Amino acid sequence: GEDVEQSLFLSVREGDSSVINCTYTDSSSTYLYWYKQEPGAGLQLLTYIFSNMDMKQDQRLTVLLNKKDKHLSLRIADTQTGDSAIYFCAVILTGGGNKLTFGTGTQLKVEL
Amino acid sequence: DGGITQSPKYLFRKEGQNVTLSCEQNLNHDAMYWYRQDPGQGLRLIYYSQIVNDFQKGDIAEGYSVSREKKESFPLTVTSAQKNPTAFYLCASRSTTEAFFGQGTRLTVV
Repeated sequence: GEDVEQSLFLSVREGDSSVINCTYTDSSSTYLYWYKQEPGAGLQLLTYIFSNMDMKQDQRLTVLLNKKDKHLSLRIADTQTGDSAIYFCAVILTGGGNKLTFGTGTQLKVEL
Repeated sequence: DGGITQSPKYLFRKEGQNVTLSCEQNLNHDAMYWYRQDPGQGLRLIYYSQIVNDFQKGDIAEGYSVSREKKESFPLTVTSAQKNPTAFYLCASRSTTEAFFGQGTRLTVV
């Protein structure tokens, strides 16, 4: 399979929580990232987590890391219409010479 | 103002011409990366550099070339050998912890 995988779409109602999931293959990954991309724009770094952490919270964003299962998630609390975008997870593949490798991206749609 | 700058934002070229995309950073980051994004697709790694005067091929290096003569600069040349060059090109730089992107260059080859 791919080095980093994400589901393609997620639809939520405004005010609900969104959970975007990511799985990766390299167990020696050190840093894991979440980015947001709006149409026609570059990628905005939302948050990152070091591999020795289980959780990181930053305002409405919570990142959970399960190293055993190689699973990363991003929870967005109180999701707003402005959160509609594509979300990418990315990992440093230390086994591949520190390549920064991305998932396919999850399109988040927030409905009123 | 610190950050990573890509220029130009839009670029048009005739088929068969080489074209160079600029990427400059003043973040003092050692590592820099070039990605290609096609419509509705994720990011594919073209080339990356972990230090000045050194770079490695990514997953789709054919038809592209790079140089890293200065820490601040990592230009990407799209050569005439690249079969489908029309795409959105993104440059990133990375410290030990954070990785930031430029705003991208949209290249259209006609």
